Amino acid sequence: DIVMTQSPDSLAVSLGERATINCKSSHSVFYSSNNENCLAWYQQKPGQPPRLLIYWASSREPGVPDRFSGSGSGTDFTLTISSLQAEDVAVYYCQQYFILPFTFGQGTKLEIK
Amino acid sequence: QVQLQQSGPGLVKPSQTLLLTCVISGDSVSSNIATWNWIRQSPSRGLEWLGRTYYRSKWYHDYALSVTSRITISPDTAKNQFSLHLNSVTPEDTAVYFCARNSAFDIWGHGTMVTVSS
Repeated sequence: DIVMTQSPDSLAVSLGERATINCKSSHSVFYSSNNENCLAWYQQKPGQPPRLLIYWASSREPGVPDRFSGSGSGTDFTLTISSLQAEDVAVYYCQQYFILPFTFGQGTKLEIK
Repeated sequence: QVQLQQSGPGLVKPSQTLLLTCVISGDSVSSNIATWNWIRQSPSRGLEWLGRTYYRSKWYHDYALSVTSRITISPDTAKNQFSLHLNSVTPEDTAVYFCARNSAFDIWGHGTMVTVSS
């Protein structure tokens, strides 16, 4: 199985500041057939299912604010929130869909400093 | 818009079968481009993909190795839904269970907390 490791486990950022979450996969998730990375990012708030934010490592899901961006390739990926808002407090997960079984990172808890 | 509505019991006895259903609106379980998944979440195991079903001129199923001997995911075209059967449950199967669409899971059900206890 591909192991997804996120860092840090938790993060406290001031309102309006940048938040950066990292995700490393134990195997490359680059899909050469379409030159895309099979990597997604999710936001989960208490009592809710995860919400898809980013797919193909850097494509924003419709309706997701443009302060959320994804980057990276191969095995190393980053989710950036350019200017933290109060409603961004949540747990964030990365997930690979390159190969079965699909696997998730352990999550990063984002809080307000 | 596409919605997934889950149903099923919140309490299952050890050794019995867990059965959950996910009703699809706004899409089709027989879609030739969508896939239909079950995922669970627990404090000890995090988010864990369990399996999927999809139709590409015929039905396909993929399951996680950790549950492959106990799981069946069944589509029901007449009701436009798919179901999760998990046999011989133990307390380790206690989790919130979600249904979700596609491989980057773009649509999720609301989740069902399932407790395995006598």
